[in-house]
Formats: sequence, C-alpha cells, structure tokens
Amino acid sequence: GQSLEQPSEVTAVEGAIVQINCTYQTSGFYGLSWYQQHDGGAPTFLSYNALDGLEETGRFSSFLSRSDSYGYLLLQELQMKDSASYFCAVRVLNTGGFKTIFGAGTRLFVKA
Amino acid sequence: GAGVSQSPSNKVTEKGKDVELRCDPISGHTALYWYRQSLGQGLEFLIYFQGNSAPDKSGLPSDRFSAERTGGSVSTLTIQRTQQEDSAVYLCASSLVTGQGVDGTQYFGPGTRLLVL
Repeated sequence: GQSLEQPSEVTAVEGAIVQINCTYQTSGFYGLSWYQQHDGGAPTFLSYNALDGLEETGRFSSFLSRSDSYGYLLLQELQMKDSASYFCAVRVLNTGGFKTIFGAGTRLFVKA
Repeated sequence: GAGVSQSPSNKVTEKGKDVELRCDPISGHTALYWYRQSLGQGLEFLIYFQGNSAPDKSGLPSDRFSAERTGGSVSTLTIQRTQQEDSAVYLCASSLVTGQGVDGTQYFGPGTRLLVL
C-alpha cells in the first residue's frame, strides 16, 4: 500500500531552525510536496521536489532523496506565524492517473 | 473566480438527511479533488475528477457518498442519509494537470464545515 510518515508535532523557539521529516512508501512516485495549514484555514502549497536535492524558497527549504524515500521541510528564522500544521504529500501515478496522497500532518508550535 | 470557492461554508443537518456540497474550481483547472478533514486530523482523500470523469473514487467511504462534475467545472459532493461520523470539514481543491514531473499544485477552497446532529 501507500503510506507516509511524519512526526505528529514539533516544538521550537522563535528565531530557531526546525526540520520536519517525511518518509514514504509508494509506487509510481513522481514528487513530494509540502503544504501549510493554519488553524481554521485551508492548506496552502509551499514547495514541490521532483528531483533529488534541496529547493530553497525564502525561509523555507525542501529536500528530497528518492533513493531513501525521504524528504524534509526546513524552516529557518522561525516566526510565531509559522505555527501551523505542515503536510507532506506524494504525487503518484496509478491506473487512474496522477494522485496526491497526504501525510497526517505535523503540528508545529513556535514559542517566544 | 480568483480562487476555489465552496458553498455552503457551514452546514448543520440532522442525522438521516441528505446534504449537497458545492465546489467551484479555478477557471481552467481540469483536475478537481475532494478531501475530508476531521478536527485535528490529516486530509482524507475522497475522489478525484479529471474533466467530468472520476478516474479515482477509491476514497469514498461508503455508497452514501457520491460526487459529480459537470461542464468540467462545478462539482457537487452528495452525502445521503448523513451520520454523525460524517461531521468534518470537506475541502475541495483544483489543479492544472500537466504530466510527469510537474507539481500539479493543488489550490484549496475554504472548505465546508459539516455538523451532523
């Protein structure tokens, strides 16, 4: 079957760096995405990795290792507003076409 | 419109009643997804449309759930004979589907909060 694992919650202090890991077991893997969701809000897209390596977008970076079925989201210079849930999602190709499978999410608490 | 819209934003219904949830995707997006999210939980995939067809209905939890999409645009998710366990936020997302290696970023609507009493 298809599965993703990420920590249920992470706590860090303002200004620090935090890494949220995601491991996956899927067939037909095409890429790994990250989404952010604030309480009461809808998920919003952060990043996508189709190839191995690190992608940087401002304070956020995302990494993928296809051989290890592993990726992570790195958040630098944490701000209080970064407190949210972060979902990794794999894009796979199956008989029905492309599909996105979401992890259960990691709740990030940023403390002052 | 500029983004994905969903209606109603909130729905309270009695157990056993039918409900219909609507999603208006971003204009030009060919792919449309329905998810369910219970409080504090992750996203549960329900169904995926490519145009008007649904190549993947694997996430629909029971035959009480159905969805359709007409004109390659608006989609409705219908829940018949609602049960209390159906209470959740129902999220719709749309994307451009352009093939291998492209992210197919999903843009989410604000969701419909369904409460079954």
